[in-house]
Amino acid sequence: GAVVSQHPSWVICKSGTSVKIECRSLDFQATTMFWYRQFPKQSLMLMATSNEGSKATYEQGVEKDKFLINHASLTLSTLTVTSAHPEDSSFYICSARPGGGGGQETQYFGPGTRLLVL
Amino acid sequence: QKEVEQNSGPLSVPEGAIASLNCTYSDRGSQSFFWYRQYSGKSPELIMSIYSNGDKEDGRFTAQLNKASQYVSLLIRDSQPSDSATYLCAVRGSGGYQKVTFGIGTKLQVIP
Repeated sequence: GAVVSQHPSWVICKSGTSVKIECRSLDFQATTMFWYRQFPKQSLMLMATSNEGSKATYEQGVEKDKFLINHASLTLSTLTVTSAHPEDSSFYICSARPGGGGGQETQYFGPGTRLLVL
Repeated sequence: QKEVEQNSGPLSVPEGAIASLNCTYSDRGSQSFFWYRQYSGKSPELIMSIYSNGDKEDGRFTAQLNKASQYVSLLIRDSQPSDSATYLCAVRGSGGYQKVTFGIGTKLQVIP
């Protein structure tokens, strides 16, 4: 149980194009999904938190107009990197947290999407 | 002060030994603590979660929590070469939407 998928796993695109990454919780309903970015040899950096049906909460320094997040259903969140540039090349990982209250729910991570912007 | 601190390592231990990974956190109100394992090029996978002071054991893994000292650790008994990975400590804070903050991770190398 608690499987999270991401698609695509690899993206290579030209500078200036937009890239959409999908994150799905396959066997549970995720009231909250998180988007992280990880540069080589660095830790996970939270970009934004999204709750189903509401606007995402972005971390300080993350441009909300560049990284568009949509959490349209309890099993799907998307991250769109608009007008991607080489400095956006990174490993993007989503995670999903089941609902139910109690504050102890664990986050389950997707396999990640590696983005390379040429 | 970083919110979650870990020694980046690498920590090298011989096969069969006990590996001890440590983590400190700054938010005294934190209630949930997690250890994730991340192999190179892969996303993190959950190993242990702990919420109460004391020890929690799962197979070869034992998580230890001391809220008074704001300290959480992970012990790996009978370390295997396949345990070689980066271990991330994660702490859910006491803020509004209970953000989980990750440490930089400790790289563990188990030497055959």
